[in-house]
Amino acid sequence: DAMVIQNPRYQVTQFGKPVTLSCSQTLNHNVMYWYQQKSSQAPKLLFHYYDKDFNNEADTPDNFQSRRPNTSFCFLDIRSPGLGDTAMYLCATSLPGQGRADTQYFGPGTRLTVL
Amino acid sequence: GENVEQHPSTLSVQEGDSAVIKCTYSDSASNYFPWYKQELGKGPQLIIDIRSNVGEKKDQRIAVTLNKTAKHFSLHITETQPEDSAVYFCAASRAGNQFYFGTGTSLTVIP
Repeated sequence: DAMVIQNPRYQVTQFGKPVTLSCSQTLNHNVMYWYQQKSSQAPKLLFHYYDKDFNNEADTPDNFQSRRPNTSFCFLDIRSPGLGDTAMYLCATSLPGQGRADTQYFGPGTRLTVL
Repeated sequence: GENVEQHPSTLSVQEGDSAVIKCTYSDSASNYFPWYKQELGKGPQLIIDIRSNVGEKKDQRIAVTLNKTAKHFSLHITETQPEDSAVYFCAASRAGNQFYFGTGTSLTVIP
């Protein structure tokens, strides 16, 4: 089945130790997103790729980086995680039509805990 | 930028009753309005969506209405069941594909 896959589902890391989260999709969508979702809050957009074009949100900390080596894969790198980065990280994809938004599909998320 | 407000933040209903969640948006250029259901520990799942050229859309027990003039849209769930218990998010988007989420509604269906 076509889907959005995230690995790992659960990640525990130590304060300051770099961590990489991965997302892959079989939908062949050209837009991929990374969201951070803290407990009882809405997803917060960190950045997104429109094809190879990277779009960073103005308030995304420099600590967060992303790579998209090809259409199918996208990575979230947290260079020096702090305790406040403990959250669910959601990957999503979409395939916008000309001049209009299109459905966004989410992966199951990676729950990151920083100790 | 777009601002999406969602109410109520929590909602409890008896099984079989209806539930209504409302959202307002600020950007008149927004033209796509999805609703997501998120169960504990899982990613949001699209349950229904509506585009700005349509006023209402229905899928079995779930319906969404859109009032473009007033800039608000609502989710209606009829004959609620315990498995409808979850957090529901509305969102607004337009060309360029930025999605702006509401703050979520925690729905509890009491058996």
